[in-house]
Amino acid sequence: IAGITQAPTSQILAAGRRMTLRCTQDMRHNAMYWYRQDLGLGLRLIHYSNTAGTTGKGEVPDGYSVSRANTDDFPLTLASAVPSQTSVYFCASSLDNSGANVLTFGAGSRLTVL
Amino acid sequence: GQNIDQPTEMTATEGAIVQINCTYQTSGFNGLFWYQQHAGEAPTFLSYNVLDGLEEKGRFSSFLSRSKGYSYLLLKELQMKDSASYLCAVGDSNYQLIWGAGTKLIIKP
Repeated sequence: IAGITQAPTSQILAAGRRMTLRCTQDMRHNAMYWYRQDLGLGLRLIHYSNTAGTTGKGEVPDGYSVSRANTDDFPLTLASAVPSQTSVYFCASSLDNSGANVLTFGAGSRLTVL
Repeated sequence: GQNIDQPTEMTATEGAIVQINCTYQTSGFNGLFWYQQHAGEAPTFLSYNVLDGLEEKGRFSSFLSRSKGYSYLLLKELQMKDSASYLCAVGDSNYQLIWGAGTKLIIKP
């Protein structure tokens, strides 16, 4: 089934630990995104990639890093997790980054940092 | 700054009609999107407006007025499965989406 796969589904993590959230898509979409969703706030863009080999910073990039070695994979790394990074993380993709770019979302990764 | 406003929560009755409003202030405009998100699930695309007017898609319609910075999502013949959060998002001058916090719609029998 075409779509986006995220892993893990949920994770409890000690503060200071390193964590990588995985995201893989099989739709050959050029653009990929990482968002976090917190209660009472809209989705906030962490990092994005318009095409393989390029990445950019979103609204809330501090404490996170990404890579885009190929079209399909877009992992998000928390180098040293802090409690404020407790959130639900959504990976998304779109055909490109033009105006009518409908996003397809993964199922989300719920991360708790203690 | 950039801002998207929509009501936090609305309640409606099964079979009725509900209108969810969204107002926006963004740097540039490259379309307005509505997404549906059921509790614990991912957002899914509902509609896209880039020109003024009404776009109809089955039971759902979306309206846009660019001069007023305003949109609404109209849901007709409400069903229990329509209970969800509805997210308004606007594409800014860099084609990045700015998201509202979402409107939680509760449908009562």
